Amino acid sequence: QKEVEQDPGPLSVPEGAIVSLNCTYSNSAFQYFMWYRQYSRKGPELLMYTYSSGNKEDGRFTAQVDKSSKYISLFIRDSQPSDSATYLCAMSGIIQGAQKLVFGQGTRLTINP
Amino acid sequence: SAVISQKPSRDICQRGTSLTIQCQVDSQVTMMFWYRQQPGQSLTLIATANQGSEATYESGFVIDKFPISRPNLTFSTLTVSNMSPEDSSIYLCSVRQGGDQPQHFGDGTRLSIL
Repeated sequence: QKEVEQDPGPLSVPEGAIVSLNCTYSNSAFQYFMWYRQYSRKGPELLMYTYSSGNKEDGRFTAQVDKSSKYISLFIRDSQPSDSATYLCAMSGIIQGAQKLVFGQGTRLTINP
Repeated sequence: SAVISQKPSRDICQRGTSLTIQCQVDSQVTMMFWYRQQPGQSLTLIATANQGSEATYESGFVIDKFPISRPNLTFSTLTVSNMSPEDSSIYLCSVRQGGDQPQHFGDGTRLSIL
């Protein structure tokens, strides 16, 4: 079993739709949770960074963390064609004495005009 | 967040040769890392670049193949040695300012081996 599971998609939705991206994890040592957006031929760009369970909102993006279920989500409201990218969840924590960052496989998202 | 510049942005190399990738940050950072991202795949950590000492390598990666330097708090290099087609990948530099801060990434070096 992978430490972080993310549905690779691809996911295709019409412009204006609400998008839900999800990851599950198995290691309760993970304490910090991130979502990165990666455009083609670019490096991952940090979108959201959360620590506690609950919701964090930034514009059209909402990150949700449920530590009891080991489940995190990213919601995109009023999706735009410019949101078309690969979205990577990532989580970090102290594992075997060192800060470790683990990425999901990434979900390729396409927003159709 | 810090601005991270990687050079070269892409290269095509012959098998058996070596290539050194540079990572320059516009401010001093505590931690620097090197990742590999194969086509359609997620990121795999190669090593942590330690300032003034040898890099810490992850399982499956060795210093002879991926020597790393970090002479100061703003610069690091990764060399991919004796390249084979299996080394064709994107190599990414990332930085983290402190223990509870997120990592930020450069745009990567796209490497193709013929």
